[in-house]
Amino acid sequence: EVQLVESGGGLVKPGSSLKLSCVASGFTFSSYGMHWIRQAPKKGLEWIALIYYDSSNKYYADSVKGRFTISRDNSKNTLYLEMNSLRSEDTAMYYCAKGVYYYSSWGQGVMVTVSS
Amino acid sequence: DIVLTQSPALAVSLGQRATISCKTNQNVDYYGNSYMHWYQQKPGQQPKLLIYLASNLASGIPARFSGRGSGTDFTLTIDPVEADDTATYYCQQSRNLWTFGGGTKLELK
Repeated sequence: EVQLVESGGGLVKPGSSLKLSCVASGFTFSSYGMHWIRQAPKKGLEWIALIYYDSSNKYYADSVKGRFTISRDNSKNTLYLEMNSLRSEDTAMYYCAKGVYYYSSWGQGVMVTVSS
Repeated sequence: DIVLTQSPALAVSLGQRATISCKTNQNVDYYGNSYMHWYQQKPGQQPKLLIYLASNLASGIPARFSGRGSGTDFTLTIDPVEADDTATYYCQQSRNLWTFGGGTKLELK
């Protein structure tokens, strides 16, 4: 059974940094592209980043480009999202998801709240 | 950017058909595939894949769900609607980067 478990969220002040993790199990992690997707409270879904299976390519939404960095460690079956210069509008549930073109599995999400 | 437009809400009766539409401002077809996908999200839960590449049923999804369309016009159909189908449904394209529609909240009459 595919499992994706996010962690690392919390309450932080504007301008600060946070690093999210997503531990994968139940599939060959090193063979799949992985995404981060977020959802602000009572809002829709927003794609924010993709990393290829071998880290050869990374893509970002304009809203996070230059502030967020996606990475992965295939030896640890773990996906990361490093978030810098956080803003109030980054407040959201952050999901990791498996796949490149579509998301066949999602984690349960981790909440990030940016507030002074 | 490819923009996906969905109606915000839809109300249907139990046992009837629900048709949820998604329109894009650019063609999402490429080499014979339509890069349009559908998800269901219930309150407090993560989204779940229903349909991929416009018309392919994801694993474990009941045949009451179906998808069709090409180019810029797509639909998700649920027939017949059951009580457990009350949720928000999102379309998503991957022809050019990745974007979601705003979601359609399905309610029962």
